[in-house]
Amino acid sequence: SQQGEEDPQALSIQEGENATMNCSYKTSINNLQWYRQNSGRGLVHLILIRSNEREKHSGRLRVTLDTSKKSSSLLITASRAADTASYFCATAKTGANNLFFGTGTRLTVIP
Amino acid sequence: NAGVTQTPKFRVLKTGQSMTLLCAQDMNHEYMYWYRQDPGMGLRLIHYSVGEGTTAKGEVPDGYNVSRLKKQNFLLGLESAAPSQTSVYFCASSYRRGWDYEQYFGPGTRLTVT
Repeated sequence: SQQGEEDPQALSIQEGENATMNCSYKTSINNLQWYRQNSGRGLVHLILIRSNEREKHSGRLRVTLDTSKKSSSLLITASRAADTASYFCATAKTGANNLFFGTGTRLTVIP
Repeated sequence: NAGVTQTPKFRVLKTGQSMTLLCAQDMNHEYMYWYRQDPGMGLRLIHYSVGEGTTAKGEVPDGYNVSRLKKQNFLLGLESAAPSQTSVYFCASSYRRGWDYEQYFGPGTRLTVT
């Protein structure tokens, strides 16, 4: 399966700290996307990074992509209680019509 | 704009019953998708549509049918529900190919089949 795998499965930090979560995948991709899901809600798109990009920023979010290692990381700086959610990576395999979602990282930010 | 809405929010079915889940979007998106989310697993694509009147199979299509008679609506049908179809179902839409661009998700429908 092309499904990405996030690491760690769960992460608990204090408000104001940085949170880093990782995603690994198995085959070549066109792009990789990160989504956030608050409890009981739908997914919200955060960032899309294409295979020819190495780093992207959006506000307090920083995403890196290393295609040689088939991995990506999502960094949330200066975390807030409102960042508490599950974070999913999704990969678009070259030539496929699917997004393949990972199993997610559950982030808890303690006020 | 309401974005992507799903009806109903919750449903309990008995094995063998049928039902239809409705997804509606008001963003004039061409592409629409149905996913299921199970505990400990990522979202898996059931079916998708690249435009009005078109549908295609995703990763886990068995036991489901879909229709896209109007651009703004995408229906997911279960003809004979099974306990294995207990899941949370999400609809999504995108302006362009959602595997190359961002997808917008609805709030989900929690379905329990007993």
